[in-house]
Amino acid sequence: GQSLEQPSEVTAVEGAIVQINCTYQTSGFYGLSWYQQHDGGAPTFLSYNALDGLEETGRFSSFLSRSDSYGYLLLQELQMKDSASYFCAVRTTDSWGKLQFGAGTQVVVTP
Amino acid sequence: DGGITQSPKYLFRKEGQNVTLSCEQNLNHDAMYWYRQDPGQGLRLIYYSQIVNDFQKGDIAEGYSVSREKKESFPLTVTSAQKNPTAFYLCASSLGGARTDTQYFGPGTRLTVL
Repeated sequence: GQSLEQPSEVTAVEGAIVQINCTYQTSGFYGLSWYQQHDGGAPTFLSYNALDGLEETGRFSSFLSRSDSYGYLLLQELQMKDSASYFCAVRTTDSWGKLQFGAGTQVVVTP
Repeated sequence: DGGITQSPKYLFRKEGQNVTLSCEQNLNHDAMYWYRQDPGQGLRLIYYSQIVNDFQKGDIAEGYSVSREKKESFPLTVTSAQKNPTAFYLCASSLGGARTDTQYFGPGTRLTVL
């Protein structure tokens, strides 16, 4: 089976840097995605890593190590609007288009 | 504007009643998905469809049914057989088949069983 683990909650102040780790166990790994969901809203796509290394998109970066079955999402220069839940999701080679989501990490940004 | 619409936003039903949740997309996506989200939980896949007139069970299909008669529509029926239907239901779509297959989500329907 597949499993993903990520911390349940992280709290940080405005302007800080937060790293959300995601470890996964799966067969036939294809790639790791990250989604953001504000309270009561729809998840929105943030990033995708299929290869080892760091992908940077503005204030957010995502990293993947396939050999360690590990990835992280880095949120820099935190803003109040970044308070949300962040989900990692795995796509495997036997799941055309399907994603397996982690339980999510709630990020709380304080003034 | 292209996107995914779900209706209604809030839905109340009495125990023992079937209810159908609507999902429409105008993104010309082949693949569509239904997820269930419970408070403080991740997204669990109910059903997905890769192409019109075809759909597959996800991880928690029991008590649910779907149809895919049109490319743009993927309605979900929550039947009376679903023991604990109160949840937030999210519909998503994607191009399908691509390596970086991003899923686009609708605003969700919050179902409450009274």
